[in-house]
Amino acid sequence: DAGITQSPRHKVTETGTPVTLRCHQTENHRYMYWYRQDPGHGLRLIHYSYGVKDTDKGEVSDGYSVSRSKTEDFLLTLESATSSQTSVYFCAISQGTSGANVLTFGAGSRLTVL
Amino acid sequence: DAKTTQPPSMDCAEGRAANLPCNHSTISGNEYVYWYRQIHSQGPQYIIHGLKNNETNEMASLIITEDRKSSTLILPHATLRDTAVYYCIVRTLNNNAGNMLTFGGGTRLMVKP
Repeated sequence: DAGITQSPRHKVTETGTPVTLRCHQTENHRYMYWYRQDPGHGLRLIHYSYGVKDTDKGEVSDGYSVSRSKTEDFLLTLESATSSQTSVYFCAISQGTSGANVLTFGAGSRLTVL
Repeated sequence: DAKTTQPPSMDCAEGRAANLPCNHSTISGNEYVYWYRQIHSQGPQYIIHGLKNNETNEMASLIITEDRKSSTLILPHATLRDTAVYYCIVRTLNNNAGNMLTFGGGTRLMVKP
């Protein structure tokens, strides 16, 4: 998707290993979000950021941490991956708080934890 | 955020209008209605949003009832590429969370030849 890139797009890892997913934007948008999507659960918010070094928890934050040291990058880290974290992860960005500022999503990162 | 209710699935013939309903009977006065769709394996895509008035853009039209308790997304001439899951979302502005959205199950629209 234009202006937002996720990496890696696919990753297979083993239980107990650390994993970091990266979301990079070129839009200079203030807000960034990490969602996960699982069958039967739809999209659920993990963490979000409202500025550099400003982050907060979402609905399903246990087992995840995030960092935002630059406006353009929002990192999602699984300190010790578990099989329950096998999922598709989507990053999203938004410019502001106005109702007109909609979310733009990345293409997703598919993570498999064996 | 107000809860929404959508039918789990719908079919539509190619070239015909697709009318996707959404019920949001507990909506508050300052809550917007957003529609997104997700084509298989891709990230969700914004379609349209509104507060009180009906809205139209190049993708779709959004009809919001006068009491704002329900809305309908209209794809005027559905194509096979419109086959996707359509999400109706109602949210309240939150300065810290920006446009954080809570996704429900959505409606799986199947456009058939």
